[in-house]
Amino acid sequence: AQRVTQPEKLLSVFKGAPVELKCNYSYSGSPELFWYVQYSRQRLQLLLRHISRESIKGFTADLNKGETSFHLKKPFAQEEDSAMYYCALSGRDYKLSFGAGTTVTVRA
Amino acid sequence: DAGVIQSPRHEVTEMGQEVTLRCKPISGHDYLFWYRQTMMRGLELLIYFNNNVPIDDSGMPEDRFSAKMPNASFSTLKIQPSEPRDSAVYFCASSSIFRNDEQYFGPGTRLTVT
Repeated sequence: AQRVTQPEKLLSVFKGAPVELKCNYSYSGSPELFWYVQYSRQRLQLLLRHISRESIKGFTADLNKGETSFHLKKPFAQEEDSAMYYCALSGRDYKLSFGAGTTVTVRA
Repeated sequence: DAGVIQSPRHEVTEMGQEVTLRCKPISGHDYLFWYRQTMMRGLELLIYFNNNVPIDDSGMPEDRFSAKMPNASFSTLKIQPSEPRDSAVYFCASSSIFRNDEQYFGPGTRLTVT
């Protein structure tokens, strides 16, 4: 069985402060991990995936297989980062299992 | 491409009525997914199709829910009879194995059952 846990439902940070969204997973094989983001009044969209190892909008996420984690980080949060963030896992069958989501609010 | 299209965007119905949600995936995508989003349970996968064939419907909550994909450009999710606990946002998403599995989501249908 595959499972994704996002322990924080809400996260509030000040503009310019670092932000970290936690994600832990359980999966018996080699998963693909993703972060999806939903901005206000916009569609859910892919933010980044572990396999590409790139930084998107200043966000990075490292897959730690030992800790089964895929935390999302940004050193300096911006107001436009306020959104709902979902961590997701894909096994061999192409379907995604999502975490419960974390709502991030960046205050000025 | 307009992306994944869903209709209606909002649906308000009374308990016991039949509800049909519609989805048009991105042209050329061979996977289609139906999700339900609620505050309590987040995003749950209900069912997904590959090349119009249902592959996994283990997330469908009960027999009141059914989904079809009669062709590559159209899918429906039906709830009959509807109940207040079905109130949620229902998302459709599509993907192609040739695009590294990224799922493209529709705008969602907000369903309210009174």
